[in-house]
Formats: sequence, structure tokens, C-alpha cells
Amino acid sequence: DTGVSQDPRHKITKRGQNVTFRCDPISEHNRLYWYRQTLGQGPEFLTYFQNEAQLEKSRLLSDRFSAERPKGSFSTLEIQRTEQGDSAMYLCATEKLQGAYEQYFGPGTRLTVT
Amino acid sequence: KNQVEQSPQSLIILEGKNCTLQCNYTVSPFSNLRWYKQDTGRGPVSLTIMTFSENTKSNGRYTATLDADTKQSSLHITASQLSDSASYICVVSPGDSGGYQKVTFGTGTKLQVIP
Repeated sequence: DTGVSQDPRHKITKRGQNVTFRCDPISEHNRLYWYRQTLGQGPEFLTYFQNEAQLEKSRLLSDRFSAERPKGSFSTLEIQRTEQGDSAMYLCATEKLQGAYEQYFGPGTRLTVT
Repeated sequence: KNQVEQSPQSLIILEGKNCTLQCNYTVSPFSNLRWYKQDTGRGPVSLTIMTFSENTKSNGRYTATLDADTKQSSLHITASQLSDSASYICVVSPGDSGGYQKVTFGTGTKLQVIP
């Protein structure tokens, strides 16, 4: 257990539905990252926050994806109008601002779109 | 385009044996290289972090080496245990200000340790 928690751990949804995932970081970690990982691949960067500010968003990220970190603590990732191609593991990672590049990953949320 | 290539894609070894995983990258300029262990269905866990000035870093039975001239890194696992069965991912960060999007993850080496 790295101290980063994600909820839910698994989500099955029908195509077209909206889903929201939550990530609770290690308390003193300023930076929070969202990744997507498909089977047999490495994690793919989606977006990251420093405190409550969203500093970067992947150019590959569809408009259907949105993330928030309203108080600089927990974060949510919402996918609207899900598609089968959204099926993946969604990982959250957190990091201290001056933490020697060490990211701590949560256990992930496995999304299956049917 | 920055790339990180790992080899082999998969590996099966007997418990107690040693093994070495390879990571070749094209990222330049280079800032740091990390190795992660990822158990099936779980998030990655950091094993080692090396900056461009470091040649080797150990974490228990895991030893990572880095040759910044040839842009190669290796992860050596000594006296493997069944619990080492996992995917091992190499991650390279650039040294420029291109932002986090340029951090490149390898696709991993899937290691299976058998009794």
C-alpha cells in the first residue's frame, strides 16, 4: 500500500454512460497525475495537477475527459459518453513538489465499457 | 520522437536464479530514469531512480545501472523469488522544459519466476 487510494477499484458501465473516478493522494503531496494503461502497455499520461491547478493535459485527451482537484487534495476524473475504447486501467499517482521525481501510484480503477 | 524500448518482452526464470532486464531510450536531453515493478492488476511501485550523473542504484536484490552515453539501462534481480513475478517498467524523463507529456514509459518486461 503506497498511501494513494482510488475508488472504485472496478467499474463496469454501458457505452454512452458517464463515469467518475476518485483519487485520494498522500496528504503532503502537491502533485497529482492521472494515467491510462491498457493491457500489455505502459501507463499513458492524461493530465496533472500542482495543488489545485491543472498544469498539463495530454494532447491525446478527448473532450469527453475532464479532471478536477478542487481543494488541492483529492481529485476526480470524469469520462462522459463512454466508448468501448475507454476500457482500461486508470491510475493516479502523487508526488511531492521536491520529491526527487518519485511518484507513488494508487491501485488503479479498472474500467470496462460494454 | 522520444522512445523507450524494453527487452525482453517476457521472461521465465527459475526461483533463485538471477536475471537482467534491459531498457534502451532515445530521450535527449535526459533528466532521470526510473524502474517500477507492477504486479498484475495493481499500480506500479518505484524500485530505483537515477539522475543522469548516477551509474548505479541498488534497492535490496534490485540493482539498476545507467550508461548515459549509450542511452542504456539495466535492472538486475539477484536470487529471484516467486514474489518477483511482475511487469518491470522503465520510465525516462527529459531534461528540457517540454513538460510532463514528454515523460516516456516503456511497455515493460513481464517476468515470471517459477519454482
